[in-house]
Amino acid sequence: GDSVTQMEGPVTLSEEAFLTINCTYTATGYPSLFWYVQYPGEGLQLLLKATKADDKGSNKGFEATYRKETTSFHLEKGSVQVSDSAVYFCALRIFKETSGSRLTFGEGTQLTVNP
Amino acid sequence: EAGVAQSPRYKIIEKRQSVAFWCNPISGHATLYWYQQILGQGPKLLIQFQNNGVVDDSQLPKDRFSAERLKGVDSTLKIQPAKLEDSAVYLCASSPAWYSYEQYFGPGTRLTVT
Repeated sequence: GDSVTQMEGPVTLSEEAFLTINCTYTATGYPSLFWYVQYPGEGLQLLLKATKADDKGSNKGFEATYRKETTSFHLEKGSVQVSDSAVYFCALRIFKETSGSRLTFGEGTQLTVNP
Repeated sequence: EAGVAQSPRYKIIEKRQSVAFWCNPISGHATLYWYQQILGQGPKLLIQFQNNGVVDDSQLPKDRFSAERLKGVDSTLKIQPAKLEDSAVYLCASSPAWYSYEQYFGPGTRLTVT
């Protein structure tokens, strides 16, 4: 079945450090890939997406490139801020005519950024 | 526009009791999802509705979980009877259509079964 594997957390960084959170996937077919973010006490929010190979999603200084050859979608940010502290989830979706559009999530990576 | 609303936000029950969660999606959104998020894990889809019809309930434990969306708007998820392993956050999400890329999530209901 479809699955997503994220790097083990938690991740602790100092402000302005470079961030990478690794994400790899296994899927039958051609998935769309997503990063969701969950701030403390809030619901999940879509951070960025990529719908086909070599697409780069970007938002709020975060980027991720859909690499079909390595089945990866690593999240990066050049300079993190304290306000980026949250849990980050990598997810995939494959559209199926008979079963809709289920999101399959990774286990999440807790990021803490210290001043 | 108003986001996805869920209630209650927190619930504590004893095992073998029953519990129900309510979700009101964003106005006009045809597709509604219920996810279960166990502590330390990513959300797992329980059931997907398109209007008032079920599209995917393959991961719903049907012996104890049920869900309905009778008028194609708000939805209720029920657990009867609850087990300790049902302790989790139950998330509701909605999207304009089943093929939409973005799902909008509510704040969730945190259930603790003792």
